[in-house]
Amino acid sequence: DVKVTQSSRYLVKRTGEKVFLECVQDMDHENMFWYRQDPGLGLRLIYFSYDVKMKEKGDIPEGYSVSREKKERFSLILESASTNQTSMYLCASMGLSGEQYFGPGTRLTVT
Amino acid sequence: SQKIEQNSEALNIQEGKTATLTCNYTNYSPAYLQWYRQDPGRGPVFLLLIRENEKEKRKERLKVTFDTTLKQSLFHITASQPADSATYLCALDNSGTASKLTFGTGTRLQVTL
Repeated sequence: DVKVTQSSRYLVKRTGEKVFLECVQDMDHENMFWYRQDPGLGLRLIYFSYDVKMKEKGDIPEGYSVSREKKERFSLILESASTNQTSMYLCASMGLSGEQYFGPGTRLTVT
Repeated sequence: SQKIEQNSEALNIQEGKTATLTCNYTNYSPAYLQWYRQDPGRGPVFLLLIRENEKEKRKERLKVTFDTTLKQSLFHITASQPADSATYLCALDNSGTASKLTFGTGTRLQVTL
């Protein structure tokens, strides 16, 4: 079974703090994704990566950056957290047929 | 503009009946369409993928249809059970970027005894 893990289930940070969210997958998948999910807006793609050190912006990259130094690990960075970044963050990796495997999510609250 | 529409109202259904959820899209030409299940506070779980040249796909009690002319997919759960209660998301690949998915906002299904 594919396993995607995320570093925290719940996180509370203060405005202006730098926040790191980490994601690890164990299936040697090349493509990995970061989404945020908000009520009424659904899942929105922040960034994705199709290989080590490669990244592409998704639909809402502003205020975020990513890092992919190893194939199994994809990190999302909030350079200076703001209250409008309070959300559920979901990481996913992509299988051979295009299906995505999601982690359990990190509920981030920025106060 | 591109749009994926799922019924935002919850679907309430009696145990044992067939639940049918709808996904409509505009201004996409997807190579495939996917369905996911999401329980509260958890990440989505992949259920089924159907390609543009497939009309229908089945997996156990699940059936998906894909009509590229109508730009619609139907997701059926037969003999529904309370354990099927969840939010169901459809997703399709962005034209020309097969690795990216765009998700609908989901339909919540409630199966009652």
